[in-house]
Amino acid sequence: AQSVTQPDIHITVSEGASLELRCNYSYGATPYLFWYVQSPGQGLQLLLKYFSGDTLVQGIKGFEAEFKRSQSSFNLRKPSVHWSDAAEYFCAVGANNAGNMLTFGGGTRLMVKP
Amino acid sequence: DSGVTQTPKHLITATGQRVTLRCSPRSGDLSVYWYQQSLDQGLQFLIQYYNGEERAKGNILERFSAQQFPDLHSELNLSSLELGDSALYFCASSVDRGTYNEQFFGPGTRLTVL
Repeated sequence: AQSVTQPDIHITVSEGASLELRCNYSYGATPYLFWYVQSPGQGLQLLLKYFSGDTLVQGIKGFEAEFKRSQSSFNLRKPSVHWSDAAEYFCAVGANNAGNMLTFGGGTRLMVKP
Repeated sequence: DSGVTQTPKHLITATGQRVTLRCSPRSGDLSVYWYQQSLDQGLQFLIQYYNGEERAKGNILERFSAQQFPDLHSELNLSSLELGDSALYFCASSVDRGTYNEQFFGPGTRLTVL
């Protein structure tokens, strides 16, 4: 069974600073990997996804993520954080079997200092 | 706006009661997924329907059931409600034709059981 670990529950960064959110997954085959963002009281918005090909994927809002098979990681990065990026971020792995359900990590809450 | 709609937005009810949550997928999407987000369990997959048929089951309690209708909308029925069922319930949809397809999430229904 697949699993996802987000080691950091909370992260605080200053506005304009760079950001890296960690994600480690466990899955027997080539994973389908996703990052979602959830603003307070809102639903989940897809930031980016990795299915295959180039291991560095670009997403919306200036985010990117790098798939590293050797480390079973899919870390999310942003070079310069804006106050509006404060939210909860979820990494997820999708299973390519009879049911394509997502398994989510526990989430990382990002706070941005002015 | 993901194109996935969920009603109602909020639901407050008492223990022992039964409620129905409704989801309309994006136009053209055949799969509907239900997820539960709670403080202690995080985001968990409950069940998936594909073109009217149950395709996959996750950590769904026996008191919960779902169905997908011919027009592809789905309903999640929660019965004999307990305090611990208080959570945010998300519906997601995807095309699910051929290879893996990303899921688009609705805004969620917040259920409060008193």
